[in-house]
Amino acid sequence: NAGVMQNPRHLVRRRGQEARLRCSPMKGHSHVYWYRQLPEEGLKFMVYLQKENIIDESGMPKERFSAEFPKEGPSILRIQQVVRGDSAAYFCASSDGTPDLQPQHFGDGTRLSIL
Amino acid sequence: AQSVTQLDSQVPVFEEAPVELRCNYSSSVSVYLFWYVQYPNQGLQLLLKYLSGSTLVKGINGFEAEFNKSQTSFHLRKPSVHISDTAEYFCAVTKGNTGFQKLVFGTGTRLLVSP
Repeated sequence: NAGVMQNPRHLVRRRGQEARLRCSPMKGHSHVYWYRQLPEEGLKFMVYLQKENIIDESGMPKERFSAEFPKEGPSILRIQQVVRGDSAAYFCASSDGTPDLQPQHFGDGTRLSIL
Repeated sequence: AQSVTQLDSQVPVFEEAPVELRCNYSSSVSVYLFWYVQYPNQGLQLLLKYLSGSTLVKGINGFEAEFNKSQTSFHLRKPSVHISDTAEYFCAVTKGNTGFQKLVFGTGTRLLVSP
């Protein structure tokens, strides 16, 4: 999936550590969405951000999870004090915000494994 | 709120046979509908989308889908599958006519194409 860059592709953490996942949207896109995919499940919306603003975080767990999309640099999804249940694939998608152009552009994801 | 049901978790089919992957949605408002494909260890790629207009939508790789409002369905079809079509397929829905493009995904259907 050219365009939306996510890194790292794989991330291993021990319980209690912090995980930082990065997403660089496609050039010209200022809207970023984070989704989580648990094993054998579909993607679940987590958060929608525009530059420097969180627009909707209704899918974010109440604790330990946070997201930001600064004026400069990638969007970051941060998970503090990770637990086994955080093991999943985390996908980022971007769009230019045009209503008819849905987030067609997904990154290849970060696969987070918690030991 | 919107929801999506993909009743078939797995669909085995022989190469060159036709296939239909079923998707039903629930929504009290107008919707946009999508089919995405996910190959192993990759992100999601848009196959096709329905926003408005003709209910028969043609996408990439020879896939098409038909929006049926009375049946609240958006089934994906291909007249003749290839081995390379083996992948996970996700149906997704979002509210129509808005700039906020949070996608609600089904749980996916694994298409297994054998020789």
